[in-house]
Amino acid sequence: DQQVKQNSPSLSVQEGRISILNCDYTNSMFDYFLWYKKYPAEGPTFLISISSIKDKNEDGRFTVFLNKSAKHLSLHIVPSQPGDSAVYFCAASAGNNAGNMLTFGGGTRLMVKP
Amino acid sequence: DARVTQTPRHKVTEMGQEVTMRCQPILGHNTVFWYRQTMMQGLELLAYFRNRAPLDDSGMPKDRFSAEMPDATLATLKIQPSEPRDSAVYFCASGFRLLGLAGRTPSTDTQYFGPGTRLTVL
Repeated sequence: DQQVKQNSPSLSVQEGRISILNCDYTNSMFDYFLWYKKYPAEGPTFLISISSIKDKNEDGRFTVFLNKSAKHLSLHIVPSQPGDSAVYFCAASAGNNAGNMLTFGGGTRLMVKP
Repeated sequence: DARVTQTPRHKVTEMGQEVTMRCQPILGHNTVFWYRQTMMQGLELLAYFRNRAPLDDSGMPKDRFSAEMPDATLATLKIQPSEPRDSAVYFCASGFRLLGLAGRTPSTDTQYFGPGTRLTVL
């Protein structure tokens, strides 16, 4: 049972345009959400996060939106750059777990074309 | 620049051999996680520790995998005997979490990943 799903395995976007990566979750106990970026042969790198008390968090070109009623979050990258080409994972955690355990989605490969 | 380090970065071994992967968490972090990434399964959590104590290792095949933290600066993941289906990239991640939910802040839910160990079992 996948509690965090990224339904698009890949996404291709032109440089300068907006990239929108989507993530859905099923566990209503999740209250903190993160996005990680992963380049080949490297570990995932933390990108941006959002608490369930917010519906938007912005950091430079990256904005994460959270729709709790739909159990959906999205990552917007504007403008997209070729260096953004990577695999993006969304992850979630629940306040009732003793450690800061994260549940990851399967990832979306973003390709930004020059 | 604090980072999680993992050794070796690459390991090729033959079926039946013992494999040991090592991880040095970020100094001061008290939670350590082991993940496995395969093409089919994405990022799977194998085990995690808080303050060196194992909290959950239900994701690990118990008969062949073992995870330990001999001290606060070293976590190990061992496979004995290794099998071709164990071929994957193994990531270690660390974070900081105070005891109890009162110690939870956004930053305490963030995990920082090492570069991974790419294991190939022939």
